[in-house]
Amino acid sequence: DIQMTQTPSSMPASLGERVTISCRASQGISNYLNWYQQKPDGTIKPLIYYTSNLQSGVPSRFSGSGSGTDYSLTISSLEPEDFAMYYCQQYDSSPWTFGGGTKLELK
Amino acid sequence: QVQLQQSGAELAKPGSSVKISCKASGYTFTSYYISWIKQTTGQGLEYIGYINTGSGGTNYNEKFKGKATLTVDKSSSTAFMQLSSLTPDDSAVYYCARGGLDAWGQGASVTVSS
Repeated sequence: DIQMTQTPSSMPASLGERVTISCRASQGISNYLNWYQQKPDGTIKPLIYYTSNLQSGVPSRFSGSGSGTDYSLTISSLEPEDFAMYYCQQYDSSPWTFGGGTKLELK
Repeated sequence: QVQLQQSGAELAKPGSSVKISCKASGYTFTSYYISWIKQTTGQGLEYIGYINTGSGGTNYNEKFKGKATLTVDKSSSTAFMQLSSLTPDDSAVYYCARGGLDAWGQGASVTVSS
């Protein structure tokens, strides 16, 4: 199985700050990489698919990039509703696997 | 709008089975697979497998073969996952999701305890 390693596991940040979350795959995944946001109530919202494509309705302050084994999610200017858990997920090979998550916390 | 509505929380005894449902609305049910994902504090998010909602064909993560059984009822646009021979390690929140995981259910909590 492909291992997905997210860093950092937690990140204190301030409103308006620009933040980047990293995700590294144990082997190349050819950009088959999604990002999700999870709120404390458990609701999971898809944010980005195929590395850099925003899901419908996702604000443009979210962006994704990367290639090969290294990918990242950037939020350009944090809003109050952005403080949540974030997960990456590869779908290059079966079984699909997820990163361990990054908790974005208010500083 | 696309919605996946899951059944409620379950409390089950070790050795028993539970069946979770996922009712889809807002799109053509048979046009997308339904996947199932397990979330625990210790193991994070784990992909269980998917069902082809048109044919009923399934594909399981090796780890969950023999544990999870995926089925579908096209007449009600509902997918099901049965978990058998439950142990405390099966206690988790289980999510269903559409296709490339572009829409998720709200999650169903399963607690296994005697």
